[in-house]
Amino acid sequence: EVQLLESGGGLVQPGGSLRLSCAASGLTFSTYGMNWARQAPGKGLEWVSGISDNGERTYYADSVKGRFAISRDNPKNTLFLQMTSLRAEDTAIYYCAKEEGPGWGGFDLWGQGTVVTVSS
Amino acid sequence: QAGLTQPPSVSKDLGQTATLTCTGNSNNVGNQGVAWLQHHQGHPPKLVSYRNDNRPSGISERFSASRSGNTASLTITGLQPEDEADYYCSTWDTGLSGWVFGGGTKLTVL
Repeated sequence: EVQLLESGGGLVQPGGSLRLSCAASGLTFSTYGMNWARQAPGKGLEWVSGISDNGERTYYADSVKGRFAISRDNPKNTLFLQMTSLRAEDTAIYYCAKEEGPGWGGFDLWGQGTVVTVSS
Repeated sequence: QAGLTQPPSVSKDLGQTATLTCTGNSNNVGNQGVAWLQHHQGHPPKLVSYRNDNRPSGISERFSASRSGNTASLTITGLQPEDEADYYCSTWDTGLSGWVFGGGTKLTVL
Protein backbone atom coordinates (compact mmCIF):
# COMPACT_ATOMS: atom_id res chain seq x y z
CA GLU A 1 0.00 0.00 0.00
CA VAL A 2 1.26 3.45 -0.91
CA GLN A 3 1.38 5.64 2.17
CA LEU A 4 3.10 8.40 4.09
CA LEU A 5 3.33 8.28 7.88
CA GLU A 6 4.35 11.32 9.90
CA SER A 7 5.78 11.26 13.40
CA GLY A 8 7.58 13.52 15.84
CA GLY A 9 4.84 15.98 16.76
CA GLY A 10 4.14 17.01 20.33
CA LEU A 11 4.00 19.82 22.84
CA VAL A 12 6.96 22.21 22.88
CA GLN A 13 7.62 25.54 24.58
CA PRO A 14 8.02 28.75 22.59
CA GLY A 15 11.58 29.01 21.35
CA GLY A 16 11.98 25.26 21.40
CA SER A 17 12.78 22.77 18.64
CA LEU A 18 11.15 19.70 17.16
CA ARG A 19 12.03 17.30 14.34
CA LEU A 20 9.26 15.79 12.25
CA SER A 21 9.69 12.64 10.17
CA CYS A 22 7.67 11.23 7.30
CA ALA A 23 8.18 7.59 6.35
CA ALA A 24 7.17 6.66 2.82
CA SER A 25 6.24 3.17 1.68
CA GLY A 26 4.94 1.57 -1.50
CA LEU A 27 6.47 4.17 -3.84
CA THR A 28 9.81 5.00 -5.41
CA PHE A 29 10.49 7.76 -2.93
CA SER A 30 13.66 9.07 -4.57
CA THR A 31 11.84 10.07 -7.77
CA TYR A 32 9.40 12.55 -6.24
CA GLY A 33 9.58 16.04 -4.81
CA MET A 34 8.24 16.12 -1.26
CA ASN A 35 6.69 18.84 0.83
CA TRP A 36 5.38 19.80 4.24
CA ALA A 37 2.12 21.67 4.68
CA ARG A 38 0.19 22.59 7.82
CA GLN A 39 -3.22 23.55 9.07
CA ALA A 40 -3.51 25.74 12.15
CA PRO A 41 -6.65 25.44 14.29
CA GLY A 42 -9.59 27.03 12.49
CA LYS A 43 -7.44 28.01 9.51
CA GLY A 44 -6.83 26.79 5.98
CA LEU A 45 -3.97 24.80 4.52
CA GLU A 46 -0.58 26.52 4.38
CA TRP A 47 2.42 25.26 2.43
CA VAL A 48 5.54 25.18 4.61
CA SER A 49 8.49 23.74 2.71
CA GLY A 50 9.49 21.57 -0.24
CA ILE A 51 12.49 19.58 -1.44
CA SER A 52 13.45 18.21 -4.85
CA ASP A 53 13.68 14.49 -5.55
CA ASN A 54 17.45 14.39 -5.08
CA GLY A 55 17.47 16.85 -2.18
CA GLU A 56 19.52 19.46 -4.02
CA ARG A 57 16.84 22.14 -4.04
CA THR A 58 14.83 23.31 -1.05
CA TYR A 59 12.06 25.87 -0.76
CA TYR A 60 10.44 27.61 2.21
CA ALA A 61 7.46 29.78 2.99
CA ASP A 62 8.42 33.22 4.26
CA SER A 63 6.77 32.42 7.60
CA VAL A 64 9.33 29.68 8.38
CA LYS A 65 12.41 30.75 6.41
CA GLY A 66 15.49 30.73 8.61
CA ARG A 67 13.78 28.67 11.34
CA PHE A 68 12.81 25.42 9.61
CA ALA A 69 15.00 23.08 7.55
CA ILE A 70 13.73 20.34 5.24
CA SER A 71 15.82 17.32 4.33
CA ARG A 72 15.42 13.77 3.08
CA ASP A 73 17.13 10.39 3.31
CA ASN A 74 16.32 8.60 0.07
CA PRO A 75 17.87 5.20 0.98
CA LYS A 76 15.64 5.23 4.08
CA ASN A 77 12.56 6.63 2.27
CA THR A 78 12.19 9.34 4.87
CA LEU A 79 11.47 13.06 4.81
CA PHE A 80 12.34 15.38 7.68
CA LEU A 81 11.45 18.83 8.95
CA GLN A 82 13.71 20.34 11.58
CA MET A 83 11.83 23.13 13.34
CA THR A 84 13.62 25.64 15.59
CA SER A 85 12.70 28.90 17.33
CA LEU A 86 9.11 27.69 17.45
CA ARG A 87 6.32 30.20 17.98
CA ALA A 88 2.71 29.89 19.10
CA GLU A 89 1.62 30.52 15.52
CA ASP A 90 3.44 27.36 14.42
CA THR A 91 0.81 25.32 16.27
CA ALA A 92 -0.85 23.15 13.62
CA ILE A 93 -1.36 19.74 12.12
CA TYR A 94 1.69 19.11 9.93
CA TYR A 95 1.25 16.98 6.83
CA CYS A 96 3.84 15.57 4.49
CA ALA A 97 2.76 15.47 0.88
CA LYS A 98 4.14 13.92 -2.29
CA GLU A 99 4.26 15.82 -5.56
CA GLU A 100 2.30 14.25 -8.42
CA GLY A 101 5.28 14.48 -10.75
CA PRO A 102 7.82 16.88 -12.22
CA GLY A 103 6.60 20.32 -13.19
CA TRP A 104 4.47 21.37 -10.23
CA GLY A 105 1.45 19.14 -10.76
CA GLY A 106 0.12 19.25 -7.20
CA PHE A 107 0.20 16.94 -4.19
CA ASP A 108 -1.34 13.55 -4.86
CA LEU A 109 -0.54 11.70 -1.64
CA TRP A 110 -0.81 13.02 1.91
CA GLY A 111 0.00 11.55 5.28
CA GLN A 112 -2.43 11.50 8.20
CA GLY A 113 -0.64 14.40 9.86
CA THR A 114 1.15 14.96 13.15
CA VAL A 115 0.10 17.59 15.69
CA VAL A 116 2.53 20.25 16.86
CA THR A 117 1.51 22.44 19.80
CA VAL A 118 3.71 25.36 20.82
CA SER A 119 2.72 26.58 24.25
CA SER A 120 4.18 27.35 27.64
CA GLN B 1 3.17 34.42 1.48
CA ALA B 2 0.53 35.79 -0.90
CA GLY B 3 -2.16 33.21 -1.53
CA LEU B 4 -4.91 32.55 -4.02
CA THR B 5 -8.42 33.95 -3.62
CA GLN B 6 -11.36 31.60 -3.09
CA PRO B 7 -14.89 32.41 -1.87
CA PRO B 8 -15.16 31.34 1.80
CA SER B 9 -18.38 29.39 1.31
CA VAL B 10 -20.75 28.00 -1.30
CA SER B 11 -24.11 26.33 -0.60
CA LYS B 12 -26.05 24.23 -3.09
CA ASP B 13 -28.92 21.78 -2.97
CA LEU B 14 -28.50 18.03 -3.29
CA GLY B 15 -28.20 17.05 -6.95
CA GLN B 16 -27.32 20.56 -8.15
CA THR B 17 -24.05 21.77 -9.64
CA ALA B 18 -21.45 23.79 -7.73
CA THR B 19 -18.67 25.79 -9.35
CA LEU B 20 -15.81 26.87 -7.10
CA THR B 21 -13.38 29.55 -8.24
CA CYS B 22 -9.75 30.34 -7.52
CA THR B 23 -8.17 33.62 -8.58
CA GLY B 24 -4.47 34.35 -8.76
CA ASN B 25 -2.12 36.18 -11.09
CA SER B 26 0.33 35.58 -13.92
CA ASN B 27 2.96 34.28 -11.48
CA ASN B 28 0.78 31.40 -10.38
CA VAL B 29 -2.66 30.44 -11.75
CA GLY B 30 -2.10 32.18 -15.07
CA ASN B 31 1.01 30.22 -16.00
CA GLN B 32 1.29 27.20 -13.71
CA GLY B 33 -0.78 24.07 -13.36
CA VAL B 34 -3.55 24.33 -10.79
CA ALA B 35 -4.52 21.49 -8.47
CA TRP B 36 -7.66 21.09 -6.35
CA LEU B 37 -7.86 19.34 -3.00
CA GLN B 38 -10.91 18.07 -1.11
CA HIS B 39 -10.53 18.13 2.66
CA HIS B 40 -12.84 16.52 5.16
CA GLN B 41 -11.83 17.57 8.67
CA GLY B 42 -10.10 14.83 10.54
CA HIS B 43 -8.79 13.27 7.34
CA PRO B 44 -5.86 14.12 5.08
CA PRO B 45 -6.56 16.26 2.00
CA LYS B 46 -7.37 14.39 -1.21
CA LEU B 47 -6.36 15.45 -4.72
CA VAL B 48 -9.39 15.73 -7.01
CA SER B 49 -7.80 17.54 -9.94
CA TYR B 50 -4.26 18.37 -11.10
CA ARG B 51 -2.47 20.24 -13.88
CA ASN B 52 -5.57 22.41 -14.48
CA ASP B 53 -7.98 19.78 -15.77
CA ASN B 54 -6.74 16.26 -15.04
CA ARG B 55 -8.71 13.89 -12.82
CA PRO B 56 -6.75 11.39 -10.70
CA SER B 57 -7.63 7.73 -10.87
CA GLY B 58 -10.57 6.93 -8.62
CA ILE B 59 -12.07 10.41 -8.62
CA SER B 60 -15.68 10.62 -9.77
CA GLU B 61 -16.41 12.03 -13.23
CA ARG B 62 -18.71 14.47 -11.44
CA PHE B 63 -15.56 16.47 -10.67
CA SER B 64 -14.09 18.58 -13.48
CA ALA B 65 -11.72 21.53 -13.51
CA SER B 66 -10.62 24.22 -15.90
CA ARG B 67 -8.57 27.39 -16.10
CA SER B 68 -9.11 30.64 -17.97
CA GLY B 69 -6.53 33.38 -17.59
CA ASN B 70 -5.79 33.95 -13.92
CA THR B 71 -8.88 32.10 -12.68
CA ALA B 72 -9.28 28.38 -12.16
CA SER B 73 -12.57 26.60 -11.52
CA LEU B 74 -13.71 23.28 -10.05
CA THR B 75 -17.17 22.09 -11.05
CA ILE B 76 -18.98 19.36 -9.15
CA THR B 77 -22.18 18.06 -10.74
CA GLY B 78 -24.96 16.01 -9.16
CA LEU B 79 -23.96 17.08 -5.64
CA GLN B 80 -23.95 14.31 -3.04
CA PRO B 81 -23.81 14.57 0.77
CA GLU B 82 -20.23 13.28 0.75
CA ASP B 83 -19.16 16.22 -1.42
CA GLU B 84 -19.64 18.50 1.59
CA ALA B 85 -16.07 19.48 2.48
CA ASP B 86 -13.47 22.22 2.26
CA TYR B 87 -11.92 22.67 -1.17
CA TYR B 88 -8.50 24.23 -1.76
CA CYS B 89 -6.78 25.26 -4.95
CA SER B 90 -3.00 25.21 -5.12
CA THR B 91 -0.25 25.98 -7.59
CA TRP B 92 3.41 26.94 -7.84
CA ASP B 93 4.21 30.66 -7.70
CA THR B 94 7.23 31.64 -9.78
CA GLY B 95 7.59 34.99 -8.04
CA LEU B 96 7.67 33.46 -4.57
CA SER B 97 9.48 30.26 -5.61
CA GLY B 98 7.03 28.30 -3.51
CA TRP B 99 3.64 26.64 -3.51
CA VAL B 100 0.58 28.71 -2.67
CA PHE B 101 -2.84 27.61 -1.48
CA GLY B 102 -6.15 29.36 -1.70
CA GLY B 103 -7.92 30.20 1.54
CA GLY B 104 -10.37 27.37 0.91
CA THR B 105 -14.09 27.19 0.11
CA LYS B 106 -16.46 25.41 2.46
CA LEU B 107 -19.01 23.62 0.28
CA THR B 108 -22.33 22.90 1.98
CA VAL B 109 -24.77 20.49 0.36
CA LEU B 110 -28.30 21.32 1.53
